[in-house]
Amino acid sequence: DAGVIQSPRHEVTEMGQEVTLRCKPISGHDYLFWYRQTMMRGLELLIYFNNNVPIDDSGMPEDRFSAKMPNASFSTLKIQPSEPRDSAVYFCASSPPGGSTDTQYFGPGTRLTVL
Amino acid sequence: GQQLNQSPQSMFIQEGEDVSMNCTSSSIFNTWLWYKQDPGEGPVLLIALYKAGELTSNGRLTAQFGITRKDSFLNISASIPSDVGIYFCAGQVPDNNDMRFGAGTRLTVKP
Repeated sequence: DAGVIQSPRHEVTEMGQEVTLRCKPISGHDYLFWYRQTMMRGLELLIYFNNNVPIDDSGMPEDRFSAKMPNASFSTLKIQPSEPRDSAVYFCASSPPGGSTDTQYFGPGTRLTVL
Repeated sequence: GQQLNQSPQSMFIQEGEDVSMNCTSSSIFNTWLWYKQDPGEGPVLLIALYKAGELTSNGRLTAQFGITRKDSFLNISASIPSDVGIYFCAGQVPDNNDMRFGAGTRLTVKP
């Protein structure tokens, strides 16, 4: 079975550019999570969806960040405009239905570098 | 309040040695999870604990959900080189089911 798929795996961009990260959750999972990982702050939950609906976006750092889930098999995390401090590894994770968010399966991550 | 304190931050051990790491908090959690992250990859779930006092094993790994619900430990017995990586604890917050992650323990195993 395919796991969580993220693209691109690496992204290098210049400050001010728009960045779009993509995620395909595991088929049948109805929770989707976006995380950011940095050395300084560790793993931080940015936002999560249940049945394509954003449930908690309190972790989104600021208005430059936005996330969408137009259907059950696709989500995007967009940063516009990007800044050097956005450099991090961004993970997408999904969980199966059942009302619990504890069993999360992580994708391989997108390493973002903003110059 | 809901922060997880994971220790140690890093460990350098010899192959064959046992390893112990733990997470503590001043808050209680419903669920404790332990993940391992290899370089360039996402975290992979190792063990999930759902009840206070629960002790669960997965091969050479053993983890326990503290009786106070505020802590958990992970032990690795007879370490091998492929145990190298970063181990994260995570706890599920009771009131909203959000997950909180520890800062990680970086394990290095010398052959």
